[in-house]
Amino acid sequence: NAGVTQTPKFQVLKTGQSMTLQCAQDMNHNSMYWYRQDPGMGLRLIYYSASEGTTDKGEVPNGYNVSRLNKREFSLRLESAAPSQTSVYFCASTPLGGWNAFFGQGTRLTVV
Amino acid sequence: KQEVTQIPAALSVPEGENLVLNCSFTDSAIYNLQWFRQDPGKGLTSLLLIQSSQREQTSGRLNASLDKSSGRSTLYIAASQPGDSATYLCAAMDSNYQLIWGAGTKLIIKP
Repeated sequence: NAGVTQTPKFQVLKTGQSMTLQCAQDMNHNSMYWYRQDPGMGLRLIYYSASEGTTDKGEVPNGYNVSRLNKREFSLRLESAAPSQTSVYFCASTPLGGWNAFFGQGTRLTVV
Repeated sequence: KQEVTQIPAALSVPEGENLVLNCSFTDSAIYNLQWFRQDPGKGLTSLLLIQSSQREQTSGRLNASLDKSSGRSTLYIAASQPGDSATYLCAAMDSNYQLIWGAGTKLIIKP
């Protein structure tokens, strides 16, 4: 079982460039999440999708958009990258009625 | 607004010692408290989940406790091993079913 798969693992962008981070889970989970992790801080929720067809803003949504493409896939898009978006991004999923979260290995993004 | 704090930020102990990691939260209205492990360059792995009605959970050498009234949770690791070296994060699930995270404690077990 692959669990939660994120691509790419590393990325360097120039300010103003756009990119999409991909996330897919093969556990038939209903809910999916995007977090960012910055040094010295806890993970912060960017967006989440409680179920296929729905998305909601989290704590730090500005500068990001998401798409829940289907039950398996949840992508995060940066339309115009800024240095403040340099971070490690994690995708996670939880099953219906369950609270144990499963995480991808993360995407380390640097914006220069 | 819920805030979760983990102190200390880093901890180094000799192999074989028993140790306690601390997690505090400001709002006692939580659904559960979860502990995760994060290895460098890797994702997070769930260790233990304590429901709000529970006082503790155990898995192998790990024991997590929860005291909602004092806003505290502890993760006890018995007979520590070098393989336990990692960053340990706690997260409280708030009334909106969202996880609020601490910044983590980086644990180093010295052989």
